[in-house]
Formats: sequence, C-alpha cells, structure tokens
Amino acid sequence: QLQLQESGPGLVKPSETLSLTCTVSGGSISSSSYYWGWIRQPPGKGLEWIGSIYYSGSTYYNPSLKSRVTISVDTSKNQFSLKLSSVTAADTAVYYCARPGGGLWGQGTLVTVSS
Amino acid sequence: QSALTQPRSVSGSPGQSVTISCTGTSSDVGGYNYVSWYQQHPGKAPKLMIYDVSKRPSGVPDRFSGSKSGNTASLTISGLQAEDEADYYCCSYAGSLWVFGGGTKLTVL
Repeated sequence: QLQLQESGPGLVKPSETLSLTCTVSGGSISSSSYYWGWIRQPPGKGLEWIGSIYYSGSTYYNPSLKSRVTISVDTSKNQFSLKLSSVTAADTAVYYCARPGGGLWGQGTLVTVSS
Repeated sequence: QSALTQPRSVSGSPGQSVTISCTGTSSDVGGYNYVSWYQQHPGKAPKLMIYDVSKRPSGVPDRFSGSKSGNTASLTISGLQAEDEADYYCCSYAGSLWVFGGGTKLTVL
C-alpha cells in the first residue's frame, strides 16, 4: 500500500526558496500511469493545487504560481520534490504531497515564511 | 484558472440529508468526469470521500453520494451523523491542471 511522507524545513526566510521532499513508500514512484503532486493550505483557508508531475516527466503548474514552482522526481530515491522560489508570508501554509483527485495524501507539513 | 464555487456553509440535524454544490465551467467540472470530494476535520489531512463524480472508495459509508449535472457537481450526505461535521472540498480535473473549490463547512445541529 502506497504511502507518502513530506519532509523539509519548517521555517523559510522571505525571498528564499522553499524546498520540500515527498518520499513514496510501499511501491515504485516510476510505475506507469502514476502522477504526483503538491497541494497547499494556508492557515484557516482552503486547498490550492500547486502542480503535478506525470510518469512521463511532464510537469503542470498552477498558473498563479508557475513562474516560481519546480516539481521534479528522483527515481533512485523514490522521491519527488517541490521548489518554490522568492517566497513571501503569503506562502505560509501546510504543504501536502498527494495524488490530486485521488485518496493518496501525505500528512502535511507546515512551512512558515518569516525572518 | 478560477476556484470552483461552493457554499461557505451548510447545516442539518442528525438523520437529515444535506447537499453541497460545486460549480465550475465547461473547462473543468463540465468537461470531465473527474470530480472528487474531500472531507477535512480540523488539523487533519483531507480524506477522499468521492472520486470520478460518484464512486466511493472502500470504507466510505454509502450515506455519501456524488453526482453531476452540467457544470455543477454535488455531494449528498444522508442520515447525517455528528462525525460528519467537517469541511468539505470539491476538486476537478481541468485538462492537465486541477482546481479546488473554496470549501464548505458542514455543521451538524
């Protein structure tokens, strides 16, 4: 049974780059037809899709974040990652790795942007 | 890409039924049969309740049902129970992209 677990710094300074990793356990990250993604939720607010990466290597990003987001996969480590550059306080949120539209979600990790 | 439109709140008494709507466009809800619904309790990760418009994952009670008409999807919860009180989010595929609704707070009176 596949499981996801986020990891990364809980505090990032303004203007720096937020970096998170999601480790996939219980199966291979590179199996065909799989896709992976990141979703965030600011405190007290709703869910926002950040982006997704497909087994083919294709990536798709939320247009509102596209200029700052990079999602990549490391098949050797069975992990995929998120990088969000030039962060501000508005990027403070719980970040989830997940399969958008599906039932596979990590537990989430709170990232606070503050000096 | 705009968020899907959900009512901010709904309420019902135990045993009653409630329906939560999720309105999008022909580019998302209306264009694909890939609408999901999530239940989220405070401090917890979202839990999938419905996928592909009307399918229930294993373990989700049949009190939860989903449907779609045109650009609007709906989640119906029948036989309301106290533990159903939570936030509910719809999510739709939008052609390589995904979009969420703003969320609906369900209060069980």
